Amino acid sequence: EAGVTQFPSHSVIEKGQTVTLRCDPISGHDNLYWYRRVMGKEIKFLLHFVKESKQDESGMPNNRFLAERTGGTYSTLKVQPAELEDSGVYFCASSQDLPGANSPLHFGNGTRLTVT
Amino acid sequence: AQSVTQLDSHVSVSEGTPVLLRCNYSSSYSPSLFWYVQHPNKGLQLLLKYTSAATLVKGINGFEAEFKKSETSFHLTKPSAHMSDAAEYFCVVTGGPGNQFYFGTGTSLTVIP
Repeated sequence: EAGVTQFPSHSVIEKGQTVTLRCDPISGHDNLYWYRRVMGKEIKFLLHFVKESKQDESGMPNNRFLAERTGGTYSTLKVQPAELEDSGVYFCASSQDLPGANSPLHFGNGTRLTVT
Repeated sequence: AQSVTQLDSHVSVSEGTPVLLRCNYSSSYSPSLFWYVQHPNKGLQLLLKYTSAATLVKGINGFEAEFKKSETSFHLTKPSAHMSDAAEYFCVVTGGPGNQFYFGTGTSLTVIP
């Protein structure tokens, strides 16, 4: 089966610009997650979709971040306007059921975002 | 509350020698624990998982981890390191409502030929 795919793999933008990250989960996986790793720190949860609904967005840093999953398939994460502290690696992950020991998370390769 | 502490940010071993990557966790629930590995420019790959069925868990590529409740630890080991093991390793705890994943800060493993 195809894995979780993320696009682009790298993005370099200037402060104040807008960037949109895309994630295609594994087909049939209702649960889709966004995570972020800021340089040298732990990978932190951003939000969780179940199909097209936001189940938990408690990790979203502020209202400059907007995530969507129209139709319950792929998801986008838009940062507008980008700030320097938004730099990091953004990971997308999916699972068939609520993730746990019997339904582990499958991760994409991540998008490395650099804001200059 | 749940959290994970990976005690070493960097570990270097010689090829053929044992690997030990340390992880301590904190959880208000009966936790599930995982180790993930990330090779350069790749996604995170599941190495192994603890589900409460057995305290010694075997994973892929010869890795093992032992769950020790009394020590709240879940250290990752491998008897003999290979060059291909060079990567970053993440310990993860989950459990409780929503089963959110909590990651450690990662341990970068270098294997010296």
